[in-house]
Formats: sequence, C-alpha cells, structure tokens
Amino acid sequence: QQQVKQSPQSLIVQKGGIPIINCAYENTAFDYFPWYQQFPGKGPALLIAIRPDVSEKKEGRFTISFNKSAKQFSLHIMDSQPGDSATYFCAASKGTYKYIFGTGTRLKVLA
Amino acid sequence: DAGVIQSPRHEVTEMGQEVTLRCKPISGHNSLFWYRQTMMRGLELLIYFNNNVPIDDSGMPEDRFSAKMPNASFSTLKIQPSEPRDSAVYFCASSLKGTGTGELFFGEGSRLTVL
Repeated sequence: QQQVKQSPQSLIVQKGGIPIINCAYENTAFDYFPWYQQFPGKGPALLIAIRPDVSEKKEGRFTISFNKSAKQFSLHIMDSQPGDSATYFCAASKGTYKYIFGTGTRLKVLA
Repeated sequence: DAGVIQSPRHEVTEMGQEVTLRCKPISGHNSLFWYRQTMMRGLELLIYFNNNVPIDDSGMPEDRFSAKMPNASFSTLKIQPSEPRDSAVYFCASSLKGTGTGELFFGEGSRLTVL
C-alpha cells in the first residue's frame, strides 16, 4: 500500500513530442504528489507538484494531471526539447517528510 | 546560494572498510534526509532528522549503518564494515519543515563502490 508504481521505465521521443509518464498509488492518505527531475551526475530537483484537491496543474511546458478516483497521476511535457532528457521520478507523501518515490523514467528527447 | 554539499563525491573502498559520508544542509533548513539510490531499488529513504534529532530510521538497512547530526549544519552517514552490496549513490537532502510544500533539496550525491 506504500508503493508508487511508475511507467514506463524508459521513453524516447522526437523533439517537439509530448512524452507522458504515469504513476499510480494505493494509499488514499497521500496528500502531496511531486515530480522530481534528475540529470546524470546530479541530485533530483523538484519540477512540479500537485495536491489532490485539483485535477491539473501547469508550470511552463510541464503539466500534472491528477485522477483522484483512479489514484493515478501523470506528467506531460509539451513541446519536449533535448534539454529535457533526464530521469523523472514521481513521488507521494502524507504530510511533508516521508516521500515514497516511483522507480523513475529515463526520458530521451531526440534532436 | 550554496545548496546541499556532500563529500566525498566518489569513494572506492574494499569490503570490510569503514566509510563515512558527509553532508552540509542548506542554512536554515530544519530537516535532513539520507537517501540511497540503486538501479534495482530506486530512491530509498534511510533516515530523517528534524532539528538534529533522528525521527525515522526505519529505512536504515542494518546495524552496519549509522547516522549522526551533531549540529544543524553537519551530518554523517557511516557504514562499518562496508560490503559490496552497499555500492550505490547516497544522497543527502534538506528541507524547511512547516512551509507546506516540503520541497526536498538534494545534494549531488556520493557514489560509493565497495570492492
């Protein structure tokens, strides 16, 4: 019940494409759902986050869609660029300290 | 502004040796986390400190692992004795509890290889 399942494991898209990364959770007590972006040799960094009282959040080219009834949320990257190539982690937490991270999606955007 | 600073960035050691990883959190942050990242298990929380006090160490794999936070600006993660299965990237992260977002600020990690 503490798991966050993330898919796909890897993703390759052409520049300008819209990669979509999906996550599913089971614990309905989770109340904070962030996405972290990690470049090779670096630590993860917060990209965008959502709480379950909204169904969608946009920040620039990044959008989170949240489906509370299905216990799923996804990250969409509009007009993807080669610089977006990184590993993306979804996460969930109850409160603000114990994050459960997904297993990560390695995204490659081809020029 | 300086972010979370970790040292060493790379450590290669032999099985049975003691390993000490160090972390300096962002000034003013009151929460500190140690994570371990592997291909097989992803990002795992090892231990969480709040105001220098260990709150949750349920992720520490076994007694060979220990962590301390003697003051607000320094923490260590020690492995003694080290084993090849401890090979991983160890991240330290800090946050300001109570802001509502709980954003984690990660260091660049310490890559440990145990031969």
